[in-house]
Amino acid sequence: KAGVTQTPRYLIKTRGQQVTLSCSPISGHRSVSWYQQTPGQGLQFLFEYFSETQRNKGNFPGRFSGRQFSNSRSEMNVSTLELGDSALYLCASSDTGAFAYEQYFGPGTRLTVT
Amino acid sequence: AQSVAQPEDQVNVAEGNPLTVKCTYSVSGNPYLFWYVQYPNRGLQFLLKYITGDNLVKGSYGFEAEFNKSQTSFHLKKPSALVSDSALYFCAVRGLYGGSQGNLIFGKGTKLSVKP
Repeated sequence: KAGVTQTPRYLIKTRGQQVTLSCSPISGHRSVSWYQQTPGQGLQFLFEYFSETQRNKGNFPGRFSGRQFSNSRSEMNVSTLELGDSALYLCASSDTGAFAYEQYFGPGTRLTVT
Repeated sequence: AQSVAQPEDQVNVAEGNPLTVKCTYSVSGNPYLFWYVQYPNRGLQFLLKYITGDNLVKGSYGFEAEFNKSQTSFHLKKPSALVSDSALYFCAVRGLYGGSQGNLIFGKGTKLSVKP
């Protein structure tokens, strides 16, 4: 099976702009989670989607939002970008049943806000 | 609140020697524990998990981890280190959201350096 794919891989935006990142999970995986990775804060959970519904949300401001489509692909959006939003954004998908909780990560989208 | 701690920012090991990367956890209820590895400019790769059962968990690439409830630890081990094991290692615990498969809570990471 193909792995988790994320597009774009690199992105440069200006403060105040908005950005949309895309994630395609492993075929058959219905759970998609998003994480932010920064040198200072490490890896932090943003939100999780399952069957087009947001199941959980981390402690991030409302500028961070996401959605999931019927084919399980997911997007996350960050509005009114701030310098501190510069980070590696990782998407992960997981299966159900015996392989539940094993998350498979994509290569990430490196966002730079100037 | 769920949390994990990785007390060492960096671990240095000679190739062929055993390695240990330490992790301690604090959870409400039964812990769901994980180890992931991250190579430069790559996403995280799943190594192994402890949900229930045997305290010694075997994973990918010859890694194993020992769950110790009394010491609230989940140390990652490998009998013989390879230079190619050099990477950033993360311990994680499942967050407290019912029914959720995501929302991992990660430690700060430990950089493993294996020298020839």
